[in-house]
Amino acid sequence: EPEVTQTPSHQVTQMGQEVILRCVPISNHLYFYWYRQILGQKVEFLVSFYNNEISEKSEIFDDQFSVERPDGSNFTLKIRSTKLEDSAMYFCASTAKGRTEAFFGQGTRLTVV
Amino acid sequence: GIQVEQSPPDLILQEGANSTLRCNFSDSVNNLQWFHQNPWGQLINLFYIPSGTKQNGRLSATTVATERYSLLYISSSQTTDSGVYFCAVHTTSGTYKYIFGTGTRLKVLA
Repeated sequence: EPEVTQTPSHQVTQMGQEVILRCVPISNHLYFYWYRQILGQKVEFLVSFYNNEISEKSEIFDDQFSVERPDGSNFTLKIRSTKLEDSAMYFCASTAKGRTEAFFGQGTRLTVV
Repeated sequence: GIQVEQSPPDLILQEGANSTLRCNFSDSVNNLQWFHQNPWGQLINLFYIPSGTKQNGRLSATTVATERYSLLYISSSQTTDSGVYFCAVHTTSGTYKYIFGTGTRLKVLA
């Protein structure tokens, strides 16, 4: 069964450093998302991406965040200068065109120290 | 925006017991999914259920979209069912995203 793959599974970084979280969506999917879950809280929408541009972003997705589809298979989330409060689980998801069923990756746990 | 509330927030069961988890949403949706978040934090897709009833083993789900709620039934619970259960709704408002509920934390005791 096709799945969304995220790497790394866990990343520890120092405050102020840049991090890139990577995702490989399901191959024929066209809509891509990033979500965030701070420990013990609910899963929050960050950004959606379609046709090589951002479709929608939440108020959390400020200037320190960016997304990119650098090639035909990867989808990345970059955090430019990490803060302690960026520590969270980050989930990537994808959906096929014309469908609303979302498939989520296993998550990347980001710890900022 | 749409509000998605789940109840109960916490639930403790003895192994073998049955339970019903509820998801209420405040506006029309065109899809709903149930997820189980395991102790490692992974989101496991349980059901894609915009309406009607589906069953998968000991789990089943019902969505009544016109009344804006969905139910997840767990029968003969096992310790491996422990974790957090989230519903997530896809709105009809034209935006392409899921809104997650507040979650139900389930602990099944041996």
